[in-house]
Amino acid sequence: DAGITQSPRHKVTETGTPVTLRCHQTENHRYMYWYRQDPGHGLRLIHYSYGVKDTDKGEVSDGYSVSRSKTEDFLLTLESATSSQTSVYFCAIRDRDGEKLFFGSGTQLSVL
Amino acid sequence: EDQVTQSPEALRLQEGESSSLNCSYTVSGLRGLFWYRQDPGKGPEFLFTLYSAGEEKEKERLKATLTKKESFLHITAPKPEDSATYLCAVQYTNAGKSTFGDGTTLTVKP
Repeated sequence: DAGITQSPRHKVTETGTPVTLRCHQTENHRYMYWYRQDPGHGLRLIHYSYGVKDTDKGEVSDGYSVSRSKTEDFLLTLESATSSQTSVYFCAIRDRDGEKLFFGSGTQLSVL
Repeated sequence: EDQVTQSPEALRLQEGESSSLNCSYTVSGLRGLFWYRQDPGKGPEFLFTLYSAGEEKEKERLKATLTKKESFLHITAPKPEDSATYLCAVQYTNAGKSTFGDGTTLTVKP
């Protein structure tokens, strides 16, 4: 258990509304990631962070922004949610030896 | 373009029936190949990391192997509790950016 908490666990929202998902970690890991998982597409990287205020884009970053104002929190924002953003969102941290990722339990987001 | 392809998409086995899952990849600058297990409604859980061709790792009934183009996850005498989706991922940058395959869903019947 790498001390990762995602909130909320489930969210239903309407098209065009802003949505923010939160990832919180308790073990001071430097690297944090946001992935989305859809049937038929596996896990795809949205954005990642390599330190406070240091972030970069992944392969599916359009329509998403992130912020990391302190080490323990990594926020994912959908500025104006669309139905194509209905998905399961996973946060992950990278362990200190630079190998494996530890994942949170996920957020199921439905955009109606 | 970096690609990771897993096969088969789904695999049904009887308890005790050994088999293998395949992960083929094309990536420039492989820094590591990872196997994860994912149970329904949960995040992926780390199983193995492989770094170079010829490397093998084992854990209970699972054994992962790596060549220059693919990796295999061998499951020996599986049990129903081995039922899960198995994900393969290749890491290609120092920042830990990884490309995931779509997974193989394994069902083991008693």
